[in-house]
Amino acid sequence: GAGVSQSPRYKVAKRGQDVALRCDPISGHVSLFWYQQALGQGPEFLTYFQNEAQLDKSGLPSDRFFAERPEGSVSTLKIQRTQQEDSAVYLCASSAGTGGTIIEQFFGPGTRLTVL
Amino acid sequence: QQQVKQSPQSLIVQKGGISIINCAYENTAFDYFPWYQQFPGKGPALLIAIRPDVSEKKEGRFTISFNKSAKQFSLHIMDSQPGDSATYFCAADAGKSTFGDGTTLTVKP
Repeated sequence: GAGVSQSPRYKVAKRGQDVALRCDPISGHVSLFWYQQALGQGPEFLTYFQNEAQLDKSGLPSDRFFAERPEGSVSTLKIQRTQQEDSAVYLCASSAGTGGTIIEQFFGPGTRLTVL
Repeated sequence: QQQVKQSPQSLIVQKGGISIINCAYENTAFDYFPWYQQFPGKGPALLIAIRPDVSEKKEGRFTISFNKSAKQFSLHIMDSQPGDSATYFCAADAGKSTFGDGTTLTVKP
């Protein structure tokens, strides 16, 4: 595709529900990142994949958050038993770069999650 | 501990003026410093980036100034236009990105 796409664009969940957010990266991009962006703040790193391997999950705020990229392309971020503090925009980014130094990341439009 | 501090939080500039946004970092392991522009409802888009072996980089109306010893870098937008009104984020990368909290720029016609 032309860019990174995310779905759904908006998600409203009741507290305690499980949600799954999807990211379709740019074709051929090896690296994939998930970020959480609270209202009025900068994105915060959640996790990083290189192909299907999750190399860094240090930013996941709790064990309720789980991400996967089983075939090295599409990724899913799952949040179990959602809480109100999980309300945020979840951004996905992909990059052709690998290793320790990032080159340009391309961001998707994000999924706005609201937990009631 | 916030590793990248960005200022000001908001900025109002007249059309044709210069917009200046500043960032400071702490971790000397950072090796790539991008600036992103974000419009409402959109994801951040890379504007310009610099590596620490260069003190300045210019692309069109956008310039990054980088001071490695002071661990500071700034974005200058020359001849600011109303279409530049957006939120700007600095970031510092060391395998993953650490973002500042953003600056909301308003350019008045």
